Amino acid sequence: EVQLVESGGGLVQPGGSLRLSCEASGFIITNYWLTWVRQAPGKGLEWVATINRGGIDTYYADSVKGRFTISRDSAKNSLYLQMNSLRAEDTAMYYCATQFSSPIHCWGQGNMVTVSS
Amino acid sequence: DIQMTQSPSAMSASVGDRVTITCRASQGSGNNLVWFQQKPGKVPQRLIYVASSLQGGVPSRFSGSWSGTEFTLTISSLQPEDSATYYCLQHNSFPLTFGQGTRLEIK
Repeated sequence: EVQLVESGGGLVQPGGSLRLSCEASGFIITNYWLTWVRQAPGKGLEWVATINRGGIDTYYADSVKGRFTISRDSAKNSLYLQMNSLRAEDTAMYYCATQFSSPIHCWGQGNMVTVSS
Repeated sequence: DIQMTQSPSAMSASVGDRVTITCRASQGSGNNLVWFQQKPGKVPQRLIYVASSLQGGVPSRFSGSWSGTEFTLTISSLQPEDSATYYCLQHNSFPLTFGQGTRLEIK
């Protein structure tokens, strides 16, 4: 079964850091583009970042560029999102997701990040 | 950046109705368009990918089509369990962009 299991969310103060993890099972992450999407409470979906199959090219929304870093570890078959200089407006449910164009596609269960003092 | 204008933002329809939701791209995005369904408190579920391919396990009453920069999600015969918010997503170019969402209620 193709599955993504997320971990690492929680409460953090403004200016703090947090790392989200997304462990894949049932498929090899190096065969797919991988993406982080977030959803603020009561709001729509927002694309955050994507890493390509080769793990070399990364892409970011302007709202997180320079503060967030997407990466992966092929040995652990896992995707990560390092979030620094967090702001209140980063408060959201964060989801990892596999390649949108592939017949094989899934999302993680979501991980809540709350930025508040 | 490609802007996705989704309409309507909300709608109400009866069981058995034919429902159409539209996303218009501000510029060409090929067929790199996905439709998601999201129920309250749940993870988004992909319904349609590459504009018109039905996700495995999704009922055949859902279909997707496109012409130029206009993409359409159609529910041929609305069922009570289709009450949800629907989003389109273009992944043709970065930044990836979602439509604003359509909240669909059952009368």
